[in-house]
Amino acid sequence: QVQLQESGPGLVKPSGTLSLTCAVSGGSISSSNWWSWVRQPPGKGLEWIGEIYHSGSTNYNPSLKSRVTISVDKSKNQFSLKLSSVTAADTAVYYCARVAVAGIVNYWGQGTLVTVSS
Amino acid sequence: DIQMTQSPSSVSASVGDRVTITCRASQGISSWLAWYQQKPGKAPKLLIYAASSLQSGVPSRFSGSGSGTDFTLTISSLQPEDFATYYCQQANSFPRTFGGGTKVEIK
Repeated sequence: QVQLQESGPGLVKPSGTLSLTCAVSGGSISSSNWWSWVRQPPGKGLEWIGEIYHSGSTNYNPSLKSRVTISVDKSKNQFSLKLSSVTAADTAVYYCARVAVAGIVNYWGQGTLVTVSS
Repeated sequence: DIQMTQSPSSVSASVGDRVTITCRASQGISSWLAWYQQKPGKAPKLLIYAASSLQSGVPSRFSGSGSGTDFTLTISSLQPEDFATYYCQQANSFPRTFGGGTKVEIK
């Protein structure tokens, strides 16, 4: 059973960079899956941030593309998210996820709340 | 971007009721649609993929239908554990987009 666990600072200052890591267990990050980040502002809906394949290929949401970098570390079986120039609007629960065939998320991390505040 | 519009945004129902949620895409997405259930403080859970395929382990009272631009999620007989928020998501093109959610509340 694949498990994903997000980690990283829960508080980031405005204009700073949000950095999160997702550790994958119970499966290899080099499997035939994409790995994704999705976020959810408090009380609001879901927003797809982007995804990465173990080869390093990425797809990003154009609305965030200029600020987002998703990377993979196969040696540690994990992938990461960096979001730069954050504002209060980036405050959200951030989920890492495994994408099955056909672009559907079939495994989710538990999510981690990141608050942008001084 | 493909816009996904869910209706209603909320519905009040009783245990045993049949509940139908609609999701409309701003352009055709064939059958590239999934439905998720989310309970407070928890990650979403995949219910339906490819518009009508039931994810393993999901009760058969959940069903999905539709193709192109119009889709529905039906709960045939609402159970206490089904009170949650439901989201549709298109996987036809990038960026992946979600509907705004439908909250199923106790009547």
